[in-house]
Amino acid sequence: GAGVSQSPRYKVTKRGQDVALRCDPISGHVSLYWYRQALGQGPEFLTYFNYEAQQDKSGLPNDRFSAERPEGSISTLTIQRTEQRDSAMYRCASSLGREKYFGPGTRLTVL
Amino acid sequence: AQSVSQHNHHVILSEAASLELGCNYSYGGTVNLFWYVQYPGQHLQLLLKYFSGDPLVKGIKGFEAEFIKSKFSFNLRKPSVQWSDTAEYFCAVTAISSGSARQLTFGSGTQLTVLP
Repeated sequence: GAGVSQSPRYKVTKRGQDVALRCDPISGHVSLYWYRQALGQGPEFLTYFNYEAQQDKSGLPNDRFSAERPEGSISTLTIQRTEQRDSAMYRCASSLGREKYFGPGTRLTVL
Repeated sequence: AQSVSQHNHHVILSEAASLELGCNYSYGGTVNLFWYVQYPGQHLQLLLKYFSGDPLVKGIKGFEAEFIKSKFSFNLRKPSVQWSDTAEYFCAVTAISSGSARQLTFGSGTQLTVLP
């Protein structure tokens, strides 16, 4: 596709459920990033991959959050046992160089 | 760790007014600087970037930004705004010489509303 795509665009879940958010980067982009954006704030770094290797996961808030990119393309961000404070926009970006291209985001609401 | 401050949370202007949005960062080393824009209902788009060289950079739609190293600033400007510039604007920095060189650190954003 022409840009970064993310699915689902909106996800409403109940507290305690697991959710999986998907990111499909621009074809050929080596690096893939996950960010989280709370209402009224800028995006905050969660983790990033070069190819299939997770290079930095320092931004993941706790061990309920994990991410993978097994074949160096599509990535999944998984949140286990969701809590209301996990409600946010989750943004994915990909890059080949220093510019990052963002997807439309997934709006997660935990009830 | 680096941080980015955008002091104006909401700016309201009339069409044809001039715009300047402030951005300051805290990092003493080499940085790459960016402005992203998010139009209503759309995703984050790159407006302009600074890597090196001429500190005055020009982006899309008539926007420009000036990197002033001594002030740790990268303010966004446009001489005459249009109603279609209504959007949220984010300043972001990558600290090149730090261990987190791949991370973009964002400011909290400035919502610009242009009145027709």
